[in-house]
Amino acid sequence: SAVISQKPSRDICQRGTSLTIQCQVDSQVTMMFWYRQQPGQSLTLIATANQGSEATYESGFVIDKFPISRPNLTFSTLTVSNMSPEDSSIYLCSVDLAGLGETQYFGPGTRLLVL
Amino acid sequence: AQSVAQPEDQVNVAEGNPLTVKCTYSVSGNPYLFWYVQYPNRGLQFLLKYITGDNLVKGSYGFEAEFNKSQTSFHLKKPSALVSDSALYFCAVRDDVRQAGTALIFGKGTTLSVSS
Repeated sequence: SAVISQKPSRDICQRGTSLTIQCQVDSQVTMMFWYRQQPGQSLTLIATANQGSEATYESGFVIDKFPISRPNLTFSTLTVSNMSPEDSSIYLCSVDLAGLGETQYFGPGTRLLVL
Repeated sequence: AQSVAQPEDQVNVAEGNPLTVKCTYSVSGNPYLFWYVQYPNRGLQFLLKYITGDNLVKGSYGFEAEFNKSQTSFHLKKPSALVSDSALYFCAVRDDVRQAGTALIFGKGTTLSVSS
């Protein structure tokens, strides 16, 4: 497995502001993913972030709202822009260590509350 | 389209009794199947997976799961439940037709409550 850390672990933000979430992995990985888990819900993929290419967004998620950076093989950021209370969720990053489309390992998540 | 169904929102079991958390799936190709557990205020932890091979897969913390192709199911089981097993369990799937790197499709989760 891998050690995956996320910062911040939680935050309370005002509507209209933006928050950048960091995901750090202790080994080099090609494939990283960002998920959202709304209160009491399952996980929904936001985007796939591969180093050296632009992130690929899932239906219902757009780059202007959730810009992603992937500057190297161990790090990625997700920004939640112009936040509203509906953005209150847990945001999780995950990695596919082997790059084979098999097991994904998840970070601890960032708990976001927007007031 | 790929999908995962976890028909039970909650499963209640007494400590020491066997437990089963149900999962059925739908994919266009051969399935890659996974179980994850989420403890309160924690991220997801990988429990086990089925890619190919034996239909009975053993994983972490004494859990196992049985792949049944005819019933398109991948139920999670444990012979003797512990109070510490109480958590939220997610089943996930992807198919082997897509390119590597396609993200997983998750079920809605089943809350397991083990009473002492």
